[in-house]
This record gives sequence, structure tokens and C-alpha cells, in this order.
Amino acid sequence: DGGITQSPKYLFRKEGQNVTLSCEQNLNHDAMYWYRQDPGQGLRLIYYSQIVNDFQKGDIAEGYSVSREKKESFPLTVTSAQKNPTAFYLCASSITGLTEAFFGQGTRLTVV
Amino acid sequence: EDQVTQSPEALRLQEGESSSLNCSYTVSGLRGLFWYRQDPGKGPEFLFTLYSAGEEKEKERLKATLTKKESFLHITAPKPEDSATYLCAVQPGNTGKLIFGQGTTLQVKP
Repeated sequence: DGGITQSPKYLFRKEGQNVTLSCEQNLNHDAMYWYRQDPGQGLRLIYYSQIVNDFQKGDIAEGYSVSREKKESFPLTVTSAQKNPTAFYLCASSITGLTEAFFGQGTRLTVV
Repeated sequence: EDQVTQSPEALRLQEGESSSLNCSYTVSGLRGLFWYRQDPGKGPEFLFTLYSAGEEKEKERLKATLTKKESFLHITAPKPEDSATYLCAVQPGNTGKLIFGQGTTLQVKP
């Protein structure tokens, strides 16, 4: 089955620790995205990548880092510099970056 | 500044009671407008893409329309299974970014 896989579904970390969220797609899409969703707020763009080995900051990139070494993978690292990391994180991909995006099922990160 | 505003924030309907959700936008050079459905704890599910004013798309009980300033998602004779949060997003120019509204949470009571 083609799709976008995010893992894990739930993640707990202690304050001050870096954590990496996984996102893999087998749709052969060029573009991939990371969004953050907080209760009562819409999706906010963290980073996006339109091609391998290239990515751009979104609106709330501070405290996050990404890499795009392979077309199918776009991992997100939440660093200790992110002041309020507890949130629902969503990964998405699209064919070209100029078409509709398809989402994974999300990772809920809780920092205690 | 590119912006998307959805209204109402929440909507309660009786089964069979038709209504519309609104998505107003200001964007520099609209490339496309997208509607998604999101169930609690899940990722958004793609519904429609609209590219130009006057365009309409339909899927089952849902119909999306687009003008130069806003989009509507019309829900005809809704059922309880239509209960979800509906998200609108716009893509400005050739940026590759999607800008989302806050969403409208729809509850359909039997």
C-alpha cells in the first residue's frame, strides 16, 4: 500500500532531550512537509522540502531541524531549544510541491 | 500577509440539515485552495482542490466552491459520520507552502 508513515504514534521525552520523529513515504513524491498542530489552532508549517538535499524554513522553524538525504524520508528533530515542544506533529507529501498534499497519521509528542 | 480565516469555529447540525462552511483568504497570487477533513487524533484527509474562481467540486454530500475572496464547503443532508473538523488551506504563488485556517468543527446529531 502506498502512503505516508509516521512513527512512533506517541512519544514521551524529558525536558532538555532532543527527539527525532520519523516520516517515510512510498508515493514517489518530490515534496515533503512538517506541520505542528496545537489545540484550537490550525496547522503551522515548520519545514518543507521540494527536492532531495534541499529544504526551507516554514513559519515556526526555531528549535527544529530536518534533513532530506533520501526522497522517501524527511525526519524532524525537535531540539532542546524548542520552548514548547508538546504538540501533534504531522508530516505530508505532494507530487511536486505545487499540488495537494497528503498527510500521515501524526505523532503526538509529550515533553515532561 | 497571506492569511486564511474559517467560520464558524464550530457548527452543530441535525441530521439532514444542510449548511455551509466559509473560508476567507487573502493571498498573493493564489495557486490553489484545498479542503481537508480531520478526525480526532488523525491526520487530515484530502477532499478537494480548487484553482480558479467559479470552479466547483463535488463528492457525495460535499460541494466546494471558489470565488476571488472565499471558498464555501456546502454540506447537503449531513449524516452523523460527517462529523469532523474541516480545514481549508491556500497555496500562494509558487512557494510550495500551504497556509491553513483554524478549521471548523462540525457535529451532526442523529
